[in-house]
Amino acid sequence: ELKVEQNPLFLSMQEGKNYTIYCNYSTTSDRLYWYRQDPGKSLESLFVLLSNGAVKQEGRLMASLDTKARLSTLHITAAVHDLSATYFCGGGTASKLTFGTGTRLQVTL
Amino acid sequence: EAGVAQSPRYKIIEKRQSVAFWCNPISGHATLYWYQQILGQGPKLLIQFQNNGVVDDSQLPKDRFSAERLKGVDSTLKIQPAKLEDSAVYLCASTQGTEAFFGQGTRLTVV
Repeated sequence: ELKVEQNPLFLSMQEGKNYTIYCNYSTTSDRLYWYRQDPGKSLESLFVLLSNGAVKQEGRLMASLDTKARLSTLHITAAVHDLSATYFCGGGTASKLTFGTGTRLQVTL
Repeated sequence: EAGVAQSPRYKIIEKRQSVAFWCNPISGHATLYWYQQILGQGPKLLIQFQNNGVVDDSQLPKDRFSAERLKGVDSTLKIQPAKLEDSAVYLCASTQGTEAFFGQGTRLTVV
């Protein structure tokens, strides 16, 4: 059974600095997702990574996938307050999607 | 394109009562998921449908939870009887391909 682990669980970020969230998964996964969740809201899709070496960028966020290491990273460039939220990675196949416990990001001035 | 619709948004019930949640997925999406998200945790898959058939319900507490998707479109999730530990947000998601889209969720409080 696929297990997904994220670290750190909590990240206090200073505005303007760069940070990385790590997502490790335990068995073969043919896709890796990153979602954002604001307090009291649902999950918003950020990225879907489908192949080894895949890299996707949207604004200050960049996600990458290394299927050999079973690792995905979410890199934040020059953090801004609007990025404060909880970020989840999820892996699996077309038939099942398993999430990590989430990383809560808080951007401070 | 309309998103995944869920209702109600909030529900408060007493323990041992029954409750039902409704989900209308994005039109044309064959796969539908129900997730339970307890405060401070990641979503946990309860059940997955492909059209009107169950693909995975291994983590559904079948003594009290049930779900159906009779016509392969809308789905309902029922809890009977509810326990205090069922307090959570129940999320519905649908997919047709690689990306899964989530509804706003139903926040259930069992008192």
